[in-house]
Amino acid sequence: ETGVTQTPRHLVMGMTNKKSLKCEQHLGHNAMYWYKQSAKKPLELMFVYNFKEQTENNSVPSRFSPECPNSSHLFLHLHTLQPEDSALYLCASSQEPRTSGNYEQYFGPGTRLTVT
Amino acid sequence: GENVEQHPSTLSVQEGDSAVIKCTYSDSASNYFPWYKQELGKGPQLIIDIRSNVGEKKDQRIAVTLNKTAKHFSLHITETQPEDSAVYFCAADDYKLSFGAGTTVTVRA
Repeated sequence: ETGVTQTPRHLVMGMTNKKSLKCEQHLGHNAMYWYKQSAKKPLELMFVYNFKEQTENNSVPSRFSPECPNSSHLFLHLHTLQPEDSALYLCASSQEPRTSGNYEQYFGPGTRLTVT
Repeated sequence: GENVEQHPSTLSVQEGDSAVIKCTYSDSASNYFPWYKQELGKGPQLIIDIRSNVGEKKDQRIAVTLNKTAKHFSLHITETQPEDSAVYFCAADDYKLSFGAGTTVTVRA
């Protein structure tokens, strides 16, 4: 395993529900990321956190709300999602922020989200 | 922003043969090119990477080549084995990591 865990692994939710995805890294890294993976499409970077501070939001709809309470944990809060939001949501971490030279990313197994 | 194209989308090879996946990128400022392997039910895992000051890098049966002038890079897997079956992603990094759409590799026994 890569040292990045995600829970739950599978989630089915209605469009009016509120749920949260959790990511935890055991690698002592300082940067964490949320990605969306849809079938036959490239991974889409959603959010970046460096040292607990959000540094990137790639035009993600406000129905996705990230939270990073410390360098080891990252959450993605979901509310009033749409069916097109169904995808695999991947969390990743790297030793250093992307502005440095050592930012090889380690991915978790992902949460398979289905919005009904 | 960076645009990464990856070909082919699917690749079937006989065990023991070689597999080659090619990627092109658009931003000449990109200087880091990782390759990830994703097995069923798992997240992508870094298998090899190359930086812009190097033309080729090898790690056992896996090699990556980079042509900065032509803005393309390739992954070569030699002596393929069934455990090489997976989805492979290339990526290019200028100020953020941009991924290709992936190649599903199937190694036939």
